[in-house]
Amino acid sequence: DAGVIQSPRHEVTEMGQEVTLRCKPISGHDYLFWYRQTMMRGLELLIYFNNNVPIDDSGMPEDRFSAKMPNASFSTLKIQPSEPRDSAVYFCASSLGDRLTDTQYFGPGTRLTVL
Amino acid sequence: SQQGEEDPQALSIQEGENATMNCSYKTSINNLQWYRQNSGRGLVHLILIRSNEREKHSGRLRVTLDTSKKSSSLLITASRAADTASYFCATAGNTGGFKTIFGAGTRLFVKA
Repeated sequence: DAGVIQSPRHEVTEMGQEVTLRCKPISGHDYLFWYRQTMMRGLELLIYFNNNVPIDDSGMPEDRFSAKMPNASFSTLKIQPSEPRDSAVYFCASSLGDRLTDTQYFGPGTRLTVL
Repeated sequence: SQQGEEDPQALSIQEGENATMNCSYKTSINNLQWYRQNSGRGLVHLILIRSNEREKHSGRLRVTLDTSKKSSSLLITASRAADTASYFCATAGNTGGFKTIFGAGTRLFVKA
């Protein structure tokens, strides 16, 4: 298996533009997580899905952020409009969802820079 | 919050020395995990210890868990330059929901 795939790996955009980050989880994993990592705030859980259904989006910072999972093999995180403070590395992770193991497999991340 | 907090924030050692990192958390947990993150990469799972376990080994890694003190330690023996990375503890609670909460991490630098 190729692991969790994220695209793009780097994104540079201007304030006010729409940004879409993409994730393909590991096949067979029931859970998908979106995280944001910054030096100031560390690793923050934004939202997670179980069987394509959003379960907890309490970490989504504002209405400018939205996430979808139209099927088991694809998810998007959208920021519209983007702001400089959204600059961060965004990680997608997936897991089988067995509560005893809970091991999450991370993608390589998307480094977002908003100018 | 049951967020784990790692200590120290940064650690610099010589190759061959042992490295010990600590993690404290606030609420009851199902399990505690340690992850490693190399610069510019995603996190990689290292080891998981369940709440009813006290110690676990995996290669050069040794993890201990003290639920009475709500703390865990990660020991890397005979460190190598390739161990240079950030190390995070992550706790999964035993109350409702399915959130694994990550700490702020310890940055380990192993000098060759």
